Amino acid sequence: NAGVMQNPRHLVRRRGQEARLRCSPMKGHSHVYWYRQLPEEGLKFMVYLQKENIIDESGMPKERFSAEFPKEGPSILRIQQVVRGDSAAYFCASSRGTSGYNEQFFGPGTRLTVL
Amino acid sequence: AQSVTQLDSQVPVFEEAPVELRCNYSSSVSVYLFWYVQYPNQGLQLLLKYLSGSTLVKGINGFEAEFNKSQTSFHLRKPSVHISDTAEYFCAVTRVGNTPLVFGKGTRLSVIA
Repeated sequence: NAGVMQNPRHLVRRRGQEARLRCSPMKGHSHVYWYRQLPEEGLKFMVYLQKENIIDESGMPKERFSAEFPKEGPSILRIQQVVRGDSAAYFCASSRGTSGYNEQFFGPGTRLTVL
Repeated sequence: AQSVTQLDSQVPVFEEAPVELRCNYSSSVSVYLFWYVQYPNQGLQLLLKYLSGSTLVKGINGFEAEFNKSQTSFHLRKPSVHISDTAEYFCAVTRVGNTPLVFGKGTRLSVIA
């Protein structure tokens, strides 16, 4: 029973390049959340997705960032034209998403370094 | 909107001593409360949660927390810490339902031998 998988675990990009971060939820989970952790900070919510739908993107920067969760395959967080300020750890969490309380299970994170 | 304040950014404590990590929250609606632990370069692991019912919640690794609605607090305690408890601890809150978590900035617990 694999947990939430994220890859790559570490990603280095130069300014102006694109970063693609992947998240495979736990089996049976149809809801995915992305969070960003800046150095010395707590996690901040970015986006909440269901299969083929964005439910809440209130935490996403308006430019350069996008997310998807297709019917098949992992959820992808895409950052275009990265800047040094994008360097952070990006975590995804998944949940069942049925009614009532649904625990979010976290992946190990992708640590993005922008040179 | 909800917010979480963790009052101490760093807490050093000697091995086998008790510890309390403080967390206060603000919300105008009913909430669920959580404590997560993060070991270096790892993801978050749920320690315990308060959903409803008894205000004293017991979690893994000997931790417990008490929900105090009047003081809007959810402090984490352990009666006797081990070296292996050295980690970052995050308090989090969410509205009832499938909503994103709002995290505090974290408290770094350092257990000294």
